[in-house]
Amino acid sequence: AAGVIQSPRHLIKEKRETATLKCYPIPRHDTVYWYQQGPGQDPQFLISFYEKMQSDKGSIPDRFSAQQFSDYHSELNMSSLELGDSALYFCASSLDRAPEAFFGQGTRLTVV
Amino acid sequence: AQTVTQSQPEMSVQEAETVTLSCTYDTSENNYYLFWYKQPPSRQMILVIRQEAYKQQNATENRFSVNFQKAAKSFSLKISDSQLGDTAMYFCAFRASGTYKYIFGTGTRLKVLA
Repeated sequence: AAGVIQSPRHLIKEKRETATLKCYPIPRHDTVYWYQQGPGQDPQFLISFYEKMQSDKGSIPDRFSAQQFSDYHSELNMSSLELGDSALYFCASSLDRAPEAFFGQGTRLTVV
Repeated sequence: AQTVTQSQPEMSVQEAETVTLSCTYDTSENNYYLFWYKQPPSRQMILVIRQEAYKQQNATENRFSVNFQKAAKSFSLKISDSQLGDTAMYFCAFRASGTYKYIFGTGTRLKVLA
């Protein structure tokens, strides 16, 4: 069965650079979620989109922005990167009428 | 605001035995969902089991079952016949109906011993 696809899987950026993370949800899923997981931490909710509109917002820094496109894929844009942004970034998707979300394998971002 | 608490940072169990992981949550919502996710060393987040708050019957998925106590706001996970592949971090998660975010607990690291 198709799963959530995230790209790239690994990314190394320097401080103050910009990064773009991509997420392709499971086909027919209309909701996308972004989470940040630091080392040894639980996943922290950043933002979600339902039918291409922002549906909920968590602790997402102002330096980050995201959107969901007409084909339902989503991109997380991160600017002015800081060392503390180094983390595993998960995307998840769900069907609005179904309660569970399915996660991608994550993008490991390292800021040096 | 909703919170999810997992009070057991680490647990271990012998292969083939049973282990129970605890989770409590706090919410004023009446309609919500609860989940257990597993994160093995690969760090992939894998859905283990889900429970709808309106259902009194406890969810079961093969060797995994939950004990859902709505009044006590408790949602524990029982793993029967533990296998080495069950070694992972287990996260309890909450989603209020009509919202688009999942709130995770801090996780329990489970080690299955041969």
